[in-house]
Amino acid sequence: GQQLNQSPQSMFIQEGEDVSMNCTSSSIFNTWLWYKQDPGEGPVLLIALYKAGELTSNGRLTAQFGITRKDSFLNISASIPSDVGIYFCAGHPNQGGKLIFGQGTELSVKP
Amino acid sequence: SQTIHQWPATLVQPVGSPLSLECTVEGTSNPNLYWYRQAAGRGLQLLFYSVGIGQISSEVPQNLSASRPQDRQFILSSKKLLLSDSGFYLCAWSVARVAGEQYFGPGTRLTVT
Repeated sequence: GQQLNQSPQSMFIQEGEDVSMNCTSSSIFNTWLWYKQDPGEGPVLLIALYKAGELTSNGRLTAQFGITRKDSFLNISASIPSDVGIYFCAGHPNQGGKLIFGQGTELSVKP
Repeated sequence: SQTIHQWPATLVQPVGSPLSLECTVEGTSNPNLYWYRQAAGRGLQLLFYSVGIGQISSEVPQNLSASRPQDRQFILSSKKLLLSDSGFYLCAWSVARVAGEQYFGPGTRLTVT
């Protein structure tokens, strides 16, 4: 089945540093979504991307829909301790309702 | 605005006991509804999804079943729990017929002992 390869699996950074993570696929996706999950809670949608090449920001977060439609990245600038959590990419490979999820990137921020 | 509720928040059940987890959505009509399971804080596995009342699609054959008795109510059940059913269960909704965002509930932590 279709899979998303998300990297890195984990990151340990200092407060104030910038962060970058990405997802790749061997097939084309029509939608890319980025979620953040805090421990013991449900994932929260951060950014949704619908067009190849689209670059969207949400505060200190920026995400892009790759031109090839097979990848997406998420950047976090000037990280703060509350950025800690697991970040998931997800995508729709077609017009159906099912999302494909990456395995997540666990972010740790040292004050 | 739309909100999604799940209960209970946590549950500890013995092996062989029945299970019923409930999810309700407010502020929208005819949503698509989803049940996911997450093990060890990673990897969301889609279990069931529904595009309407009484319509259930199963993604993974297992010890669980789902039902949608009302437009905005989604129930996950089991007749006899297994140890392997332990995990974090998440309900989600999306706008019908739109391949877009899914919004998740707060989750239920199930521990089977």
